[in-house]
Amino acid sequence: AQSVTQLGSHVSVSEGALVLLRCNYSSSVPPYLFWYVQYPNQGLQLLLKYTSAATLVKGINGFEAEFKKSETSFHLTKPSAHMSDAAEYFCAVSDSGGYQKVTFGTGTKLQVIP
Amino acid sequence: GAGVSQSPSNKVTEKGKDVELRCDPISGHTALYWYRQSLGQGLEFLIYFQGNSAPDKSGLPSDRFSAERTGGSVSTLTIQRTQQEDSAVYLCASSLPGRIYGYTFGSGTRLTVV
Repeated sequence: AQSVTQLGSHVSVSEGALVLLRCNYSSSVPPYLFWYVQYPNQGLQLLLKYTSAATLVKGINGFEAEFKKSETSFHLTKPSAHMSDAAEYFCAVSDSGGYQKVTFGTGTKLQVIP
Repeated sequence: GAGVSQSPSNKVTEKGKDVELRCDPISGHTALYWYRQSLGQGLEFLIYFQGNSAPDKSGLPSDRFSAERTGGSVSTLTIQRTQQEDSAVYLCASSLPGRIYGYTFGSGTRLTVV
């Protein structure tokens, strides 16, 4: 069975500081991994995805994530936080061979302090 | 259309009433998913459609919940005899077939049962 664990339901960073949101996955087969962002009163938007090509994946808005098989991790980072990055971030995994069922983590709310 | 459209955006209903939530996916997206997001919770999978059939409806919480999809396009999620615990944001997503593609989400329907 596939699952993801997001460490920290709330993370606060200062504007301009490094953003690091942690995600660990569990999968019996090589996974596809995703990060989504949800702004208030909106649906989720795909930030980036890992689909077994390059282990360092770059996404929108300056975010990137690195797939580390040995650590079963897919942490999301951004070198310098902007106020507009305040949102909730969801890590997700898909390992179903038959179809693209995605299991989401419980989310991490990012607060950016001016 | 350009994105996934959900209606209504907000719905307040009395306990015991039936409600219908609508999702209009991106044209050409054969896969469609319903998720439920409750306050402080992650995303709970409800049902998956491929075309008009639902090969995975394992997430529907009870027989009060049903969903259909017609013409490989619009989907309706129906909740009968609503209960207060049904209050949540119901999110619809669509995608092209295959794990490599992420989901495109609608903005959701916020359901409040009073």
